[in-house]
Amino acid sequence: ETGVTQTPRHLVMGMTNKKSLKCEQHLGHNAMYWYKQSAKKPLELMFVYSLEERVENNSVPSRFSPECPNSSHLFLHLHTLQPEDSALYLCASSQSRDRGETQYFGPGTRLLVL
Amino acid sequence: KNQVEQSPQSLIILEGKNCTLQCNYTVSPFSNLRWYKQDTGRGPVSLTIMTFSENTKSNGRYTATLDADTKQSSLHITASQLSDSASYICVVSDAGGTSYGKLTFGQGTILTVHP
Repeated sequence: ETGVTQTPRHLVMGMTNKKSLKCEQHLGHNAMYWYKQSAKKPLELMFVYSLEERVENNSVPSRFSPECPNSSHLFLHLHTLQPEDSALYLCASSQSRDRGETQYFGPGTRLLVL
Repeated sequence: KNQVEQSPQSLIILEGKNCTLQCNYTVSPFSNLRWYKQDTGRGPVSLTIMTFSENTKSNGRYTATLDADTKQSSLHITASQLSDSASYICVVSDAGGTSYGKLTFGQGTILTVHP
């Protein structure tokens, strides 16, 4: 395993529900990322945190709300999602945001919005 | 606009055979190129990283090549195994004004190895 865990692995929710995705990294890294992976589309970067500070937000709808309480944990809070938000949500971490650093990915949370 | 195009979209080969996956990019200025392997139900795992000055890099049965002039990369898999069945993703980082860089992801090539 890569040292990045995500829970839950699968989630089904209605459009009016509120849920949270959790990511934890055991690698001592300082940067963490949320990605969305839809079928047959490239990974889409959603948010970047560096040293617990959000440093990048790629025009993500406000129904997605990230939280980084410390350098090891990252959450993605979900509310009033749409069916098109159904996808695999991947968390990743890296030692720093430098372009030479490898990102280590978690297994993802498969989300289905009904 | 920075883009990464991978071909083919999908590929089926028999166990033991070789195959080559292609990646063309328009990212500029270029910093580095990575190939990731993503098994079904798992997150991507880095296979190789190449910078501008590197033409080839190997990782076991995986060999990546880079032609920075034509902006093309390939991933060659030798003596394929059933465990090579996965999606292979090409990712290019630009050399922006900061040390961070912006990543552009390809859509991936789905490789299926049959016994």
